Formats: sequence, structure tokens, C-alpha cells
Amino acid sequence: QVQLVESGGGVVQPGRSLRLSCAASGFTFSSYAMHWVRQAPGKRPEWVAVISYDGNNEYYADSVRGRFTISKDNSKNTLYLQMNSLRREDTAIYYCAREVSSWPDYWGQGTLVSVSS
Amino acid sequence: IVLTQSPATLSLSPGDRATLSCRASDSVGSYLAWYQQRPGQAPRLLVYDASNRATGIPARFSGSGSGTDFTLSISSLEPEDSAVYYCQQRRNWNTFGGGTKVEIK
Repeated sequence: QVQLVESGGGVVQPGRSLRLSCAASGFTFSSYAMHWVRQAPGKRPEWVAVISYDGNNEYYADSVRGRFTISKDNSKNTLYLQMNSLRREDTAIYYCAREVSSWPDYWGQGTLVSVSS
Repeated sequence: IVLTQSPATLSLSPGDRATLSCRASDSVGSYLAWYQQRPGQAPRLLVYDASNRATGIPARFSGSGSGTDFTLSISSLEPEDSAVYYCQQRRNWNTFGGGTKVEIK
């Protein structure tokens, strides 16, 4: 069955960096575009970034463009999110999600990122 | 594009019909999806492209609408339908509505 497992979250000081990973299994990872979506506690989800199935195209929300980088390693079935220059407002649960029919159709359980001094 | 969902909370009994609304500040065509989020869980895709049920979603969930006005209907509520429901548009980047909380009495 489809499984997405995020890791790499934690507590980090403002201005520092963190890299999230999402290990995929149960489907042909190299055939799917993938998304990162975040959700601050008690708030609506916020789309962060998407990468094409082959890793050649990336798109970002305005709030993270220039600070975050999405990438995927199809040989390792793993999606990444490199987060630099972190801000307090980046505090959220970060979900990876597989794209089907241009929508994030299956989501992992998320990893919590807390930006605090 | 701003998505406004109403009502904020819906309190109904098992077997009732639930009608949730999502209004867009500008036309999104049919580029709208609905998600269910139970407490402590990730969102789950229910409906995409306004009216297409996602894989494995029960037939009691249905979506309709186009342009700026959309509806998610749950024909006969079950206890496990207690959750927050979000709409999302991808016509102009990606934004989510503020959610409707469905409570089962």
C-alpha cells in the first residue's frame, strides 16, 4: 500500500536550516510529482512546493521562494525539503503528498518543525 | 484567490444530510478539491476537479459547482464523518479555505 513517512523535523532557531525527508513506498515514486504542504497548529493547510516526477521542474509558494528547495531522489524513493533562513512563521507540521490528477491525493502523517529561540 | 467556507461549524445527527459551501473570490473554473481532516490526522482527498470522487471515497460524498461557488454534500452522515473539511483551489497557485467543522451529535 502507499506509504509516505516524513522525518527531519525538530526545534530550530530562527535563521538556521533544516532538511526534511519523505520516504515513499508502495508505488512507483519516479512516476509521480510530489508536494510539500504545511499546517500551523489550528490553522488551514498552506501549500509549500511541488516538484515534477523527474525532478526537472519546481514551483514554490511566495512565502518560501528563495529560502526553501524541494528535490527528489528517484533512486532512493525519497523527497526532500531543504529549508534555509527559517522564520518563526515557518512553524508547522510539514506533510509530503503524492500528486494524482494534479492534486495532492495521498499525504504522509507529517513532521513537526518548530522555529524558536 | 481567497476561498471562504461556510458555515464554520455544522452540528448534525447521524443519517442527516450535510451541505458545505466554498466560495472563491475569483473564478477557479473546476479546479477545486475537498479534503477531510480528522483530529490528529493528515488531510485526505475526497473530491477533485469539483465533482470527481477520489479513489476509495464512499459514494455518500459528492461535490458540485463551478466558477466561484462550490458545494460538498454528505448524503447520510456517519459518526466517522466528524472532521474538519477544507476546500482547495489550484487555478491560481494553491490556496485552502478556512475549513468547516462537522460535529456529529
